[in-house]
Amino acid sequence: NAGVTQTPKFRVLKTGQSMTLLCAQDMNHEYMYWYRQDPGMGLRLIHYSVGEGTTAKGEVPDGYNVSRLKKQNFLLGLESAAPSQTSVYFCASTPRAGNGYTFGSGTRLTVV
Amino acid sequence: GQQLNQSPQSMFIQEGEDVSMNCTSSSIFNTWLWYKQDPGEGPVLLIALYKAGELTSNGRLTAQFGITRKDSFLNISASIPSDVGIYFCAGLNYGGSQGNLIFGKGTKLSVKP
Repeated sequence: NAGVTQTPKFRVLKTGQSMTLLCAQDMNHEYMYWYRQDPGMGLRLIHYSVGEGTTAKGEVPDGYNVSRLKKQNFLLGLESAAPSQTSVYFCASTPRAGNGYTFGSGTRLTVV
Repeated sequence: GQQLNQSPQSMFIQEGEDVSMNCTSSSIFNTWLWYKQDPGEGPVLLIALYKAGELTSNGRLTAQFGITRKDSFLNISASIPSDVGIYFCAGLNYGGSQGNLIFGKGTKLSVKP
């Protein structure tokens, strides 16, 4: 039982490049989330999904897009990376509202 | 939006000492959660609290859901080196946006052997 798996673990991008971060969970959870973590800022919600085929904006959605085509996968896309998107990205999932989240181990992204 | 004030921001303690940290909010929450994040890893759930006044323990950790539903604290007794990490509180309000957790900014704990 892998829980929440994030790929890749590390990535360096040049400004303007695009990439997709993949989050996969094998717990049949309905809700999935993408957060970014920056020093002194805690965890900030980028986008989330309450079920297959649905997505919604969080606190800091600008510059990111997401898709949830399959229940077990939640993809985070950066169309044109900027240095301000240098961060550690965490995916999380939960079976229902009110439960604690299970987090992945993170993707460390550097945009130069 | 809703915000949680978590304090202290950081703590440097001696092994064996007790630790206390807390979170406060201007809003009422239905659930309080405490997470620990080890370096290079994602946060891991330590304790979940679901009722005002609830006091819950998990080994050397004890957490309480404040009576006003606007605060929570976490105590760690007899700290050991592996307690090092960042501790996050998180609150949940069902009346909020789709039941999303609101996170505090974390308390960074350092333990000197």
